[in-house]
Amino acid sequence: GAGVSQSPSNKVTEKGKDVELRCDPISGHTALYWYRQSLGQGLEFLIYFQGNSAPDKSGLPSDRFSAERTGGSVSTLTIQRTQQEDSAVYLCASSSGQAPFLETQYFGPGTRLLVL
Amino acid sequence: GNSVTQMEGPVTLSEEAFLTINCTYTATGYPSLFWYVQYPGEGLQLLLKATKADDKGSNKGFEATYRKETTSFHLEKGSVQVSDSAVYFCALKGPIQGAQKLVFGQGTRLTINP
Repeated sequence: GAGVSQSPSNKVTEKGKDVELRCDPISGHTALYWYRQSLGQGLEFLIYFQGNSAPDKSGLPSDRFSAERTGGSVSTLTIQRTQQEDSAVYLCASSSGQAPFLETQYFGPGTRLLVL
Repeated sequence: GNSVTQMEGPVTLSEEAFLTINCTYTATGYPSLFWYVQYPGEGLQLLLKATKADDKGSNKGFEATYRKETTSFHLEKGSVQVSDSAVYFCALKGPIQGAQKLVFGQGTRLTINP
């Protein structure tokens, strides 16, 4: 079946603008994760959803970052008032949600964000 | 908190050479351990995993053994190919705090020359 998809694949924006990044998980996966990959910080966890609720938001770097998930499927990561340090590849992953500690997370291709 | 340390790269080898990429971890209890690979221009893919001590994960000729005594999960391959050129990430999950999120090492870039 289809894997995790993300859109857009690339986004260039001006400092101070808001951006929305979208993730479509694998069908039937109840767990969804957002990560960020940047040169300086490596791969960092941002937020975890189980269904529509987010029991772990500990990785969101500031209150400019928010995410939501509707219908237990699509998720949107929103960055308000973007800053240059937000430039990174934003990765989405999903897993079945049956055994979070053990199960494999499947990653999408990422959205490359560049803030000018 | 949980953390993962990988050997620094980049690593450059000739085709058919033996590969080892070291990975050690710090965690409370016994986490699940993973190796992910990122080929040029592609997304992260799971390479192999081990969920308990002494387990050996294997895939595509790569192997890694979960060693709780040394808190290590070193990646090995007996004979690398040019197509193995990629960035390799060691990662762990759980088992207690934040059990569902992956904590990654910094990645090791591997280049295999023909």
